[in-house]
Amino acid sequence: DADVTQTPRNRITKTGKRIMLECSQTKGHDRMYWYRQDPGLGLRLIYYSFDVKDINKGEISDGYSVSRQAQAKFSLSLESAIPNQTALYFCATSDFPGLAGVGETGELFFGEGSRLTVL
Amino acid sequence: DQQVKQNSPSLSVQEGRISILNCDYTNSMFDYFLWYKKYPAEGPTFLISISSIKDKNEDGRFTVFLNKSAKHLSLHIVPSQPGDSAVYFCAASGNTPLVFGKGTRLSVIA
Repeated sequence: DADVTQTPRNRITKTGKRIMLECSQTKGHDRMYWYRQDPGLGLRLIYYSFDVKDINKGEISDGYSVSRQAQAKFSLSLESAIPNQTALYFCATSDFPGLAGVGETGELFFGEGSRLTVL
Repeated sequence: DQQVKQNSPSLSVQEGRISILNCDYTNSMFDYFLWYKKYPAEGPTFLISISSIKDKNEDGRFTVFLNKSAKHLSLHIVPSQPGDSAVYFCAASGNTPLVFGKGTRLSVIA
C-alpha cells in the first residue's frame, strides 16, 4: 500500500459544485501539503500544515480550503469549482526538517495524484 | 515572480550520453536544493539533493552541482538510460515549503 494515498484518483465535475480531495498518510509525518500541477507551470503550493492545529496558505490558495482532521489526514476542498481549477492535485508529506546537514533531506513524499476536471 | 526557473521545457539525449538539466534561482535565502523525477500517472519522487554548504553531491549516475554565486544548479545523469525519460523538477527551500520549477521533460533515445 502507498504511504500517501489520495482519493479520488480521477474526478469530473461541473462548475459550481463542491469537491473534496482527501489525503491520508502512514508515514507518521507531521507536515502535509497540497500542490497543484498544470502543464508548463510546474508544481504550485496551495496550502500546507505543519501539525494538526496549523494551517498555512501557499502561493495559490484562492478558491480552496483545507482541513487537517488528524495527523494522518489532510483534505482539500473546492467550495465552488470553476474550469480553471482543472488540474492534477498532489498531496505530500515531510518530516520535521531538523538541523541543516544533519540527516535531513527536506524530502517531500508525494501521493499518486488526483486528476480533477471541471466542466 | 518565479523563484526557481527551469528554462528548458524539454531535452533529448541519446542513450549512453550525458544529460544535463539546469536550474536557476533568485532567492538568496534558499539553502537546500532538490531534484524530483516524475513519470506519467505517478507522483514526483525524490532523486537527489544538495545543501548550500556543498558544491557537489553524487549518487550513482546522478550528480548535482551547485554554484551559489551564480544561483545556479545542474543535474548530470551519466550514462543516460531510456528509463530516465521523465519530467525533472528542480526545487528549493529556505526554511519554507519547497518551491518548484516548471520542470524539464527529458527524453532518452535508444
